Amino acid sequence: DTAVSQTPKYLVTQMGNDKSIKCEQNLGHDTMYWYKQDSKKFLKIMFSYNNKELIINETVPNRFSPKSPDKAHLNLHINSLELGDSAVYFCASSQDGLGYTFGSGTRLTVV
Amino acid sequence: QKEVEQDPGPLSVPEGAIVSLNCTYSNSAFQYFMWYRQYSRKGPELLMYTYSSGNKEDGRFTAQVDKSSKYISLFIRDSQPSDSATYLCAMSGSNFGNEKLTFGTGTRLTIIP
Repeated sequence: DTAVSQTPKYLVTQMGNDKSIKCEQNLGHDTMYWYKQDSKKFLKIMFSYNNKELIINETVPNRFSPKSPDKAHLNLHINSLELGDSAVYFCASSQDGLGYTFGSGTRLTVV
Repeated sequence: QKEVEQDPGPLSVPEGAIVSLNCTYSNSAFQYFMWYRQYSRKGPELLMYTYSSGNKEDGRFTAQVDKSSKYISLFIRDSQPSDSATYLCAMSGSNFGNEKLTFGTGTRLTIIP
């Protein structure tokens, strides 16, 4: 019974396309996050939502738009994909802001 | 300069050895310190966290925080091949959900049987 599930696991797409990544958590956590992990394994926060409300919005291009229909779901839509968007995107959830539970990641490759 | 610095390794040690992993940081507002383990093609998983300075032990793992030196460590005793993974330190100024975790770049560890 997966705690934080992301779909799809792999995404290969051409430059200029629009794509979405979905995330769901069944832990009852109030806060959800999107992190980007680059090729050097550096994890950087993009967004966080607390009970459907946007809390953290780091310096991320406007092409990235998160949406949280309810506190168990946080989706990420990316417009006009660029080569530099290639990375692994992790969704996570937390109740206490410290012990994150991460999903297994979505490996995005833009060609 | 990054807020959190971590030697990326790779670090290879023989099975049974004691492993020492470290991070330094520059932001004195950090109060909570965490270690995550990430296996290949998986998401990071929380190993342990500590608040402020001091030591915390959990089985074969010991976390140490020295806020005066802005230095944290994770020790793994009796290392096993299953400990082979990337270890990421992470820090936060509070335990509120509206505060982000700042991660180190991770150290890739291999335990040689």
